[in-house]
Formats: sequence, C-alpha cells, structure tokens
Amino acid sequence: AAGVIQSPRHLIKEKRETATLKCYPIPRHDTVYWYQQGPGQDPQFLISFYEKMQSDKGSIPDRFSAQQFSDYHSELNMSSLELGDSALYFCASSSETGYNEQFFGPGTRLTVL
Amino acid sequence: SQQGEEDPQALSIQEGENATMNCSYKTSINNLQWYRQNSGRGLVHLILIRSNEREKHSGRLRVTLDTSKKSSSLLITASRAADTASYFCATDAEDSNYQLIWGAGTKLIIKP
Repeated sequence: AAGVIQSPRHLIKEKRETATLKCYPIPRHDTVYWYQQGPGQDPQFLISFYEKMQSDKGSIPDRFSAQQFSDYHSELNMSSLELGDSALYFCASSSETGYNEQFFGPGTRLTVL
Repeated sequence: SQQGEEDPQALSIQEGENATMNCSYKTSINNLQWYRQNSGRGLVHLILIRSNEREKHSGRLRVTLDTSKKSSSLLITASRAADTASYFCATDAEDSNYQLIWGAGTKLIIKP
C-alpha cells in the first residue's frame, strides 16, 4: 500500500540558509501534519492543513512557513536556519473518515552546521 | 503543549516476556494512538483506540483505555528482540483540531 513520501530524506545546510521539505500524503488523504522531533525528544506538532487550508498551528517558528498544494502535497519552508533546527521532520497524513489515524512518512533528517 | 506522560521511561526485559507500557493524559480525547519508533527512524502507527472503546487487540499487541483515569496501557506479549524500540502514545484531544499530543515515550529493550 502507498505510504507517505517525504523528500529529501537527509539534508545538510549551513546556518542562515534556507531549506524546503516536501511531503506527499497517502492518496485520498486530505489532511497533512508536520512534526519536529529533536534528538531524544518526542515529536512536536508544527502545523497542519486540511483541504489546502491551514487547519491548526503549533510551535512553528515565524521563520518557517508551509502550504498544501492542489494535489495535496505539502512543503515546509525553513529560512534563516539555526543550529537548533537540526532535527527529524515528520509529515503525517490522515483522512477525515479515518478517525484521525495519522500515518507518518519516514522523516527528513535536517542537519544545520 | 505536551499532555501525555508515559511510564516507565525505559524498560529492559528478556525475550519472550511481556512488556507493559503506560500512558496518562490530561484532557478529554477523541482517540489515543500508539506508535513505535526505531532509533532515529520514522514513526510507525501501531494501533488506535477510540474514546468509547476499552480494549483493542492487534497481533501481539493489546491496548486498554480507561477514560475515567485518563490512562492507557500497551501490552506486547511474547516479546522479540525486534520489538526493541521507543513507544509513544499520542492523543487526539477533543479541542486540539486533530493535532496529536505526544507522550515522552518508553524506550523498550528486549534482551536476547
């Protein structure tokens, strides 16, 4: 069965650079969520989209922005990267009819040097 | 804000034994989900239990939910070395607009 796809899987950036992470949800899933997981920590919710509109916002820094496109894929744009942004970034998708059963992608490991 | 708390934080048992992990939460929920994560890897959805359910099984997994105590437990029976991972509970709180609120996780080590 198709799963959530994230790209790239690994990304290395310098401080103050920008990064764009991409997420392709499971087909027919209408909701996308972004989470950040620091080393040894639990995932922290960043932002979510339902039907291409932002549905909820968590602890997403102002330097980050995200959107969901007409084909339901989502991109997380990160600017002015800081060392503390180094983390695993997970995307999850769910269907409105699925009791919010969220299925996660493999994650993008971002390293900021 | 994080509302899930899991205990124990770490659990080390012999292969073949049962492993029980607990999760407590603070607010009313729509459902509670358990995830597994191998070190530095992705989150794998294990099981979802809805707020009107009390127990659910999936293979060697058994999840219980006690909404009066705001707690859940995950039991893995006949553990295997491959079960070594971190296990997280996540709640879909009623007022959370479907974002998941995570517990800190239990690190499970199965000794061969």
